[in-house]
Amino acid sequence: DAGVTQSPTHLIKTRGQQVTLRCSPKSGHDTVSWYQQALGQGPQFIFQYYEEEERQRGNFPDRFSGHQFPNYSSELNVNALLLGDSALYLCASSRSWAGTEAFFGQGTRLTVV
Amino acid sequence: QKEVEQNSGPLSVPEGAIASLNCTYSDRGSQSFFWYRQYSGKSPELIMSIYSNGDKEDGRFTAQLNKASQYVSLLIRDSQPSDSATYLCAVNRDYGQNFVFGPGTRLSVLP
Repeated sequence: DAGVTQSPTHLIKTRGQQVTLRCSPKSGHDTVSWYQQALGQGPQFIFQYYEEEERQRGNFPDRFSGHQFPNYSSELNVNALLLGDSALYLCASSRSWAGTEAFFGQGTRLTVV
Repeated sequence: QKEVEQNSGPLSVPEGAIASLNCTYSDRGSQSFFWYRQYSGKSPELIMSIYSNGDKEDGRFTAQLNKASQYVSLLIRDSQPSDSATYLCAVNRDYGQNFVFGPGTRLSVLP
């Protein structure tokens, strides 16, 4: 049973560029959330997708956007990258929108130079 | 005041000892509480969830919740070197996955 998978594992981008990160949820899960984890800090909630719609959003600017596909996989897009966007981006999935137990993927390490 | 605070680390305990990790939260409306373990360079792994006051045990792990004191803890009995990791406390006010995480406590179990 495949867990949550994310791609790519590492990425280097230049300030001002745009990036797309991808996530496939654990089998049987239909809800995906994205988190940003800066070095030495706990993850910060970006947003949650369920039934292809953004259901909840944390305190992140509109440069951060997402999408969920009919097969429940999801993308995180970040526009106009800033140096401060360098972080580990984590995807988590759960069985339903109301499901609170979340399982994380291995993350994508984004470095903005 | 930060929303979720954890005891500052690193915390070092000898192998076989009990490790005690503490977490306090500011939102009295919080409903669900989680402990995640994160090895260096890896993603968080769910260890325990707890929703009502009292203790919840799972193997060597015991989570304790006191909503009146806005306090949740994790005890690790018979600590092993493989338990060395950062432990993250996460709190959720309602349904969904908008967890608020603490900064984590780094635990080192010394052989």
